[in-house]
Amino acid sequence: EPEVTQTPSHQVTQMGQEVILRCVPISNHLYFYWYRQILGQKVEFLVSFYNNEISEKSEIFDDQFSVERPDGSNFTLKIRSTKLEDSAMYFCASNGQGIYTEKLFFGSGTQLSVL
Amino acid sequence: GENVEQHPSTLSVQEGDSAVIKCTYSDSASNYFPWYKQELGKGPQLIIDIRSNVGEKKDQRIAVTLNKTAKHFSLHITETQPEDSAVYFCAASGGSQGNLIFGKGTKLSVKP
Repeated sequence: EPEVTQTPSHQVTQMGQEVILRCVPISNHLYFYWYRQILGQKVEFLVSFYNNEISEKSEIFDDQFSVERPDGSNFTLKIRSTKLEDSAMYFCASNGQGIYTEKLFFGSGTQLSVL
Repeated sequence: GENVEQHPSTLSVQEGDSAVIKCTYSDSASNYFPWYKQELGKGPQLIIDIRSNVGEKKDQRIAVTLNKTAKHFSLHITETQPEDSAVYFCAASGGSQGNLIFGKGTKLSVKP
C-alpha cells in the first residue's frame, strides 16, 4: 500500500528556535493535512491544504505555524519560534479527494521535543 | 464544536477473547465515524468506518455499531490475536466542522 513518509522521526530543539517538519504525501493525492498529538491527549487537527492554499485551520494553527508545498512532492510544517507546549507528535496525512468521508493516509509522525 | 470521548484508555484481554471500545460524540450532525489503529512506530491506519445511515458494519473479526439516538459508537474485535495489540482511535466528522475529531485512544493489549 502507498505510504506517507515523514522526516525526521524525532526532532529536538531549543525553545524559540524554528523547526521544519517534512512530509512526502502519496504521489497522486491532492489534499494534505497536519495533525498533532500531545502525549496522553487526543489527536488534534491543525490544518488542511489544497491547491497551494490552506483550506481550513484550527485555533491551534496560529501565526507561529505555516505550511508550504515547496515542490511537487514535499509538504512542510514550519513552527517559527517553538514553545515548550509545542512538544508533541506531529502527523502528516493525505487523501485524494479531500472529502471528510474519505480514508486518510497518515505518516508515522515526527516526535518534536522542545527544551 | 464536536467532542469525542473514548473508553477505556487501556484494555487488556486474553488471546481469543473479545474486545470492545466505546466512543460518544456530541454533535448530532456528525455522520461519519472511522476507527484507526496505530501500531508502535507507525501512523494511524483506517481499519473500519461507518456512516450514520447504517447501524452496524462488519469486516471479518472487526465490527462497528452506531447508535445515533444515544450518540455513541463501538468497535468490537472478536477472537483477538496478539497482533491486534495497538492503540485504537475513534473519530467523528461531518458535523459543524468537516475535519475528523479524534478520541484519546485506547491501548489494547492481547496476551497470548
